[in-house]
Amino acid sequence: EVQLVQSGAEVKKPGESLKISCKGSGYSFTNYWIGWVRQMPGKGLEWMGTIYPGDSDTTYSPSFQGQVTISADKSISTAYLQWSSLKASDTAMYYCARPLMGYGGSLYYFDFWGQGTLVTVSS
Amino acid sequence: QSVLTQPPSVSAAPGQKVTISCSGSSSNIGNNYVSWYQQLPGTAPKLLIYDNNKRPSGIPDRFSGSKSGTSATLGITGLQTGDEADYYCGTWDSSLSGGYVFGTGTKVTVL
Repeated sequence: EVQLVQSGAEVKKPGESLKISCKGSGYSFTNYWIGWVRQMPGKGLEWMGTIYPGDSDTTYSPSFQGQVTISADKSISTAYLQWSSLKASDTAMYYCARPLMGYGGSLYYFDFWGQGTLVTVSS
Repeated sequence: QSVLTQPPSVSAAPGQKVTISCSGSSSNIGNNYVSWYQQLPGTAPKLLIYDNNKRPSGIPDRFSGSKSGTSATLGITGLQTGDEADYYCGTWDSSLSGGYVFGTGTKVTVL
């Protein structure tokens, strides 16, 4: 059974750094891309970027390029999303999800999702 | 602001049918597969439809998808109270500032 298990909720202050995680199991983690999706309070879904754990090839949404860093450690089947300096506007639920990728780097759909990590940034 | 437009809400009585539209352009829906996701209150999204009209294992055939030109539609027949959720379409956008895009989301209410 494919499972993506995310780290727990975080409460941080503006300016602090943060790294949240997503551990995959039940499939070959190295051979599938992993993506991150943001959902701000009461709002819709936004794709942030994807990473291929096999070689750490990473693609970012233009909206999130330079704002976050996506990484992965294939030895422990875990992907990460990190911020170097959080802002109040980073308050959101963050989901990792497994995408099926198509030709030319396009993304077809997300077939499995993690349970979400709530990040709250407040002074 | 999403490039895929959905109605904010739709509603119907139990047993009835609802349809949710997803309007895009030639750079996204017009030339790429569409998927649909269901997000029940307080839970993570779940894949409902992929490749325009295919259902993953375990998704009942009450849910259907279609695509025509630059628009896609999700249909739900035999509406149940458990179908109350937010529904999102999604597809790849091939424009320069593209990437994977989700629709604005539609809240389905069972009256």
